[in-house]
Amino acid sequence: QKEVEQDPGPLSVPEGAIVSLNCTYSNSAFQYFMWYRQYSRKGPELLMYTYSSGNKEDGRFTAQVDKSSKYISLFIRDSQPSDSATYLCAMSFRNAGNMLTFGGGTRLMVKP
Amino acid sequence: DTGVSQDPRHKITKRGQNVTFRCDPISEHNRLYWYRQTLGQGPEFLTYFQNEAQLEKSRLLSDRFSAERPKGSFSTLEIQRTEQGDSAMYLCASSSLADYTGELFFGEGSRLTVL
Repeated sequence: QKEVEQDPGPLSVPEGAIVSLNCTYSNSAFQYFMWYRQYSRKGPELLMYTYSSGNKEDGRFTAQVDKSSKYISLFIRDSQPSDSATYLCAMSFRNAGNMLTFGGGTRLMVKP
Repeated sequence: DTGVSQDPRHKITKRGQNVTFRCDPISEHNRLYWYRQTLGQGPEFLTYFQNEAQLEKSRLLSDRFSAERPKGSFSTLEIQRTEQGDSAMYLCASSSLADYTGELFFGEGSRLTVL
């Protein structure tokens, strides 16, 4: 079993829809949680970062962490075709020098 | 462009040959990472440098893989006696020592195809 599990999709939604992306993890020692976005043939780029349970909002994006359930989510409101990409959850241990463990990624397609 | 740059972008080689990839991180970043990504999978950690010191190396990294960062600036990743299973995208990333957010700045990767 992988340390971080993520539904690979693809997830196809119409423009304007609310998107929910999820990851589960097995190691309760993970302390920092991130969402990265990766466009085709590009490197991943950081979208959201959080270290505590609860919600964190940034524009159309909301990251949610539930440490008791070992479950994290990313919500995208008013999805746009430009949001079409692969979304990777990532997490790290405290004092781990930013060494990240990634999920497998969920491919999202937003249709105009 | 002051981002992370990787070279070459694509390398095709025959099984058994050696290949070397180069990464130039963002100039003020102390930390440099190598990850490997296969199709449909997330990046997998390979190794990590803080300045010129290699601080961590994945147990998944066989003895055929070696990485260096001789002067704490650019880094090279060499794969000896390549195998078809080495075909993947090799991603380099860098970050600042002072950054606690987990933000890694990735390059666009070096894609390896082993025939």
